[in-house]
Amino acid sequence: EVQLVESGGALVQPGGSLRLSCAASGFTISTFWMSWVRQAPGKGLEWVANIKQDGSEIYYVDSVKGRFTISRDNAENSLFLQMNSLRVEDTALYYCARGYDRFPYFDYWGQGTLVTVSS
Amino acid sequence: EIVLTQSPATLSLSPGERATLSCRASQSVTRFLVWYQQKPGQAPRLLVYDASNRATGIPARFSGSGSGTDFSLTISSLESEDFAVYYCQQRMYWPLTFGGGTKVEI
Repeated sequence: EVQLVESGGALVQPGGSLRLSCAASGFTISTFWMSWVRQAPGKGLEWVANIKQDGSEIYYVDSVKGRFTISRDNAENSLFLQMNSLRVEDTALYYCARGYDRFPYFDYWGQGTLVTVSS
Repeated sequence: EIVLTQSPATLSLSPGERATLSCRASQSVTRFLVWYQQKPGQAPRLLVYDASNRATGIPARFSGSGSGTDFSLTISSLESEDFAVYYCQQRMYWPLTFGGGTKVEI
C-alpha cells in the first residue's frame, strides 16, 4: 500500500525556519517526481515545489523561490522541504505528493503537516 | 501564470442528480487538465487526469471532458459520498496551478 507521511510542521515566528519531511512506503520514490503542495486554512490548493527522480531538476512557485529548498534522499525513501525566512502567508497544511511526469499530476498524497507562522 | 476559473463556486444538488462542474483556463492547456476531489479533513484524491482519463479505482459515474481552455467534470448520478470540493489543475506550464474549487453540497 502506498503511503506518504509528513512530519515537521510546527508553530514558528515570522523569519524562522522549519524542515518538513515526508516518509514514503509501499513504493520507491526514486522512480517518481515528488512534490510539495500546500493549502492555507479554508483555502484552495497551491503547488509549492517539484523535484525530479535524481534531483537534477527542481521547480518552485515564485513566492517561495530563494526561501524554500526541496530535496530528496532516495536511499531513505524520503522527501524534504527546508523552509527559511518564513512569512505569515506561508501558514498552511503542507502535503507531500507523488507525481507523474515532469509536469505532474498527483496520484498519491499524504495527510499533511501544519505549518503556522505567527508572532 | 495559467489561471483556472472554476464554476459554479457552489453546486447544491440532491443524491441521484447529475452534476456538471466547469474549469476554464486563461490560455490553452491542450488536454493537460486534472481533477481532484477533497473531503473535509482529508487529502485530495485524484479523479481524472489529462482531461478524460479516470484514475485507478474511480467509479464510472465520474467523467471528464474538454480541451484547450474549457473543461468539465460530470458526475452522472450523485451519491452521498460525492459531496465534497472539487479542484482542477493544469499540468502544462510552470507554475502548476489549481482552480479555486467547486463545492458540491446537498
